[in-house]
Amino acid sequence: AQSVTQLDSHVSVSEGTPVLLRCNYSSSYSPSLFWYVQHPNKGLQLLLKYTSAATLVKGINGFEAEFKKSETSFHLTKPSAHMSDAAEYFCVVSTPFSGGYNKLIFGAGTRLAVHP
Amino acid sequence: DGGITQSPKYLFRKEGQNVTLSCEQNLNHDAMYWYRQDPGQGLRLIYYSQIVNDFQKGDIAEGYSVSREKKESFPLTVTSAQKNPTAFYLCASSTGRNNEQFFGPGTRLTVL
Repeated sequence: AQSVTQLDSHVSVSEGTPVLLRCNYSSSYSPSLFWYVQHPNKGLQLLLKYTSAATLVKGINGFEAEFKKSETSFHLTKPSAHMSDAAEYFCVVSTPFSGGYNKLIFGAGTRLAVHP
Repeated sequence: DGGITQSPKYLFRKEGQNVTLSCEQNLNHDAMYWYRQDPGQGLRLIYYSQIVNDFQKGDIAEGYSVSREKKESFPLTVTSAQKNPTAFYLCASSTGRNNEQFFGPGTRLTVL
């Protein structure tokens, strides 16, 4: 069965310092993986996705993630945090439905706080 | 602008009442989904539809119902049988295998 574990429920950083949000996944075959961001009382926005191409995936707003099969990890990083990065981040693994579409399995989320 | 709209943004319901949440998309996506989000938790799938006039139960379908009469629309009804309906509800759509889902802005439902 597919599953996702986000290792930190809360992360706090200072503006201008690096961001690391950790995610481990469990999958019985080669997974598709996503990171989504959610600002308060808003819908989710896709940051980046991995679908078995390059293992280092670049996303929007300076975020990137590295797929490491040996470690079953897909950690999200950003070199320098901005105040506008404060939000909730979800790591997501995709598992096939019947009929060709995918079901998304969500991690519990990591709330990122950015301090001046 | 292409996208997904949900209405209303905030909804209040008395216990014992049914209520319907709207979801419309103009992305020409075949698949649509409804999720429920509770504080400190990830999203949980309620129902999904891969094609017009067809839909399937997700992980937490009890107390909910849906319809898919048009490709653009996938309304969710929260019935009085749903024991704890207060939550944030998100609608999404996608085109197919391995593709990301696009999310609407959500509806916050509060039962008084």
